[in-house]
Amino acid sequence: AQSVTQLGSHVSVSEGALVLLRCNYSSSVPPYLFWYVQYPNQGLQLLLKYTSAATLVKGINGFEAEFKKSETSFHLTKPSAHMSDAAEYFCAVNTNNAGNMLTFGGGTRLMVKP
Amino acid sequence: DADVTQTPRNRITKTGKRIMLECSQTKGHDRMYWYRQDPGLGLRLIYYSFDVKDINKGEISDGYSVSRQAQAKFSLSLESAIPNQTALYFCATSEPHGGAFTGELFFGEGSRLTVL
Repeated sequence: AQSVTQLGSHVSVSEGALVLLRCNYSSSVPPYLFWYVQYPNQGLQLLLKYTSAATLVKGINGFEAEFKKSETSFHLTKPSAHMSDAAEYFCAVNTNNAGNMLTFGGGTRLMVKP
Repeated sequence: DADVTQTPRNRITKTGKRIMLECSQTKGHDRMYWYRQDPGLGLRLIYYSFDVKDINKGEISDGYSVSRQAQAKFSLSLESAIPNQTALYFCATSEPHGGAFTGELFFGEGSRLTVL
């Protein structure tokens, strides 16, 4: 079985500050890991993904995430927050034995203060 | 125009009513999904379909049914709606590369359903 835990349902940062959104996964086999972003009144869109190549993955809009097997983590970071980053972020996991399905975490809402 | 279109975008209904949410896509993808989003629970898979003859239950299929009318159309029905089915529903599509699941889903804008 696979699962995803996102620590912190709400995160607030000041514009220009570091963004850190936490994701831990549970999987009995090597996982594929994803971050999706949901802007207000929109569907989700893929931000970045890890598929067993480089452990540091760069995505759109300056975001990146690092796969750490020893910590079973895939935290999302951005050096400097922008007001337009305010959205809800979802971590998701897929494994080869999961029937081509994603399991999503509960989501973290990022608020950016001016 | 959106590649994945959901109708209706908002619907308020009463307990016991039958509701259908429709999804159509112009991406040409074979795989289609219905997810439900609830605050704090993320997205949970209701049903998915890998082609017009293939329908599979997800983790929370009870109380729901689906129909894949064509490659481009995938409908979700609530035969007798109940209040705890109040949620935001998303349709999504995906396309494998070389037979492998890429993990990239393309979502519609969602259908907000309220059951009173």
